[in-house]
Amino acid sequence: QKEVEQNSGPLSVPEGAIASLNCTYSDRVSQSFFWYRQYSGKSPELIMSIYSNGDKEDGRFTAQLNKASQYVSLLIRDSQPSDSATYLCAVNSVKTSYDKVIFGPGTSLSVIP
Amino acid sequence: DGGITQSPKYLFRKEGQNVTLSCEQNLNHDAMYWYRQDPGQGLRLIYYSQIVNDFQKGDIAEGYSVSREKKESFPLTVTSAQKNPTAFYLCASSQTGGNTEAFFGQGTRLTVV
Repeated sequence: QKEVEQNSGPLSVPEGAIASLNCTYSDRVSQSFFWYRQYSGKSPELIMSIYSNGDKEDGRFTAQLNKASQYVSLLIRDSQPSDSATYLCAVNSVKTSYDKVIFGPGTSLSVIP
Repeated sequence: DGGITQSPKYLFRKEGQNVTLSCEQNLNHDAMYWYRQDPGQGLRLIYYSQIVNDFQKGDIAEGYSVSREKKESFPLTVTSAQKNPTAFYLCASSQTGGNTEAFFGQGTRLTVV
């Protein structure tokens, strides 16, 4: 099992719709979870971080965390064409006793005008 | 302005040649990371360092080497032993490790000619 997995894309949604991006992780002791957005040819930029079970909202973005299910998601409300990018889920891993960040493969999102 | 600077932005390597990618941060972060990204793929961890003079191999360390002599600098050398080095290389840093948010430089695109 890969350490961090994301729903396979590409994901296409119409402008104004809600985009839902999902991520599961294997390390039960992970405590920190991050969502990054990466435009083609650019470096990833941090969108949200979440550390506690439940929802965390920031503008049009909502991150949801369920540690019991080892599941984290990102909802994008009122999707805009500028949201078209690859979204990377990242999780901290301490399996080797060194705390590092592991990334999922990413989900490509396309918002259709 | 605080941030992470990678140089050069584009780099060309001849067969059998070693090249060094620069990564400097002025965020006073303890942890630094190197990732490799191939087209359409996620980020794979090459090396990471949580403190000065200490670093750990990631998932794909073969053919790469690093040093961490100063807190702000984490250069990556791509050696001739790396048989397929053409990729997008990303450096990141975080405050204390995988449990804190990581921020990225703009990346170095390496091409073998």
